[in-house]
Amino acid sequence: QKEVEQDPGPLSVPEGAIVSLNCTYSNSAFQYFMWYRQYSRKGPELLMYTYSSGNKEDGRFTAQVDKSSKYISLFIRDSQPSDSATYLCAMTGNTDKLIFGTGTRLQVFP
Amino acid sequence: DTAVSQTPKYLVTQMGNDKSIKCEQNLGHDTMYWYKQDSKKFLKIMFSYNNKELIINETVPNRFSPKSPDKAHLNLHINSLELGDSAVYFCASSQDPGRKGYGYTFGSGTRLTVV
Repeated sequence: QKEVEQDPGPLSVPEGAIVSLNCTYSNSAFQYFMWYRQYSRKGPELLMYTYSSGNKEDGRFTAQVDKSSKYISLFIRDSQPSDSATYLCAMTGNTDKLIFGTGTRLQVFP
Repeated sequence: DTAVSQTPKYLVTQMGNDKSIKCEQNLGHDTMYWYKQDSKKFLKIMFSYNNKELIINETVPNRFSPKSPDKAHLNLHINSLELGDSAVYFCASSQDPGRKGYGYTFGSGTRLTVV
């Protein structure tokens, strides 16, 4: 079993929809949580970062962490076709090694 | 003025050959990494270097050898290439690994195809 599990999708939604992306993990030592966005044929880029449990909002994006359930989420409001990409969750504990989920492919159609 | 640049972008080679991928970052970061992304988009760490010193060396065949001539460069040399080495290889860098909020800055990847 992988340390981080993520539904690979693909997830296909209409423009304007609210999108929910999720990851579960098994290592209770993880305390730094990130979401990366990867466009086709590009490298991942950091989208959101959260430390420990709680919520963080940045424009149309909200990241949530529930450490008690070992569950993290990324919500995208008013989704746009330009949001179409693969979204990867990533996390780490006290090491510098980021553990990534397998990524969820999102397609937002006009 | 690309932050993390990798060359080449594409590499097609025959089994058994030896090849190198180069990476350079101009962000002033101390730590650099190599990650491998398979066909299912799974990113797995291979190596990390902090200021030219090897920090992380995952279970990677010893045909893979990283080299860091200075903290701005981290190259990856692969000997005796196998079909299973086909993947996208990403270089990344980070500022002060202890401050995890910075995350990594990734290059655009090198798509390696072994035939």
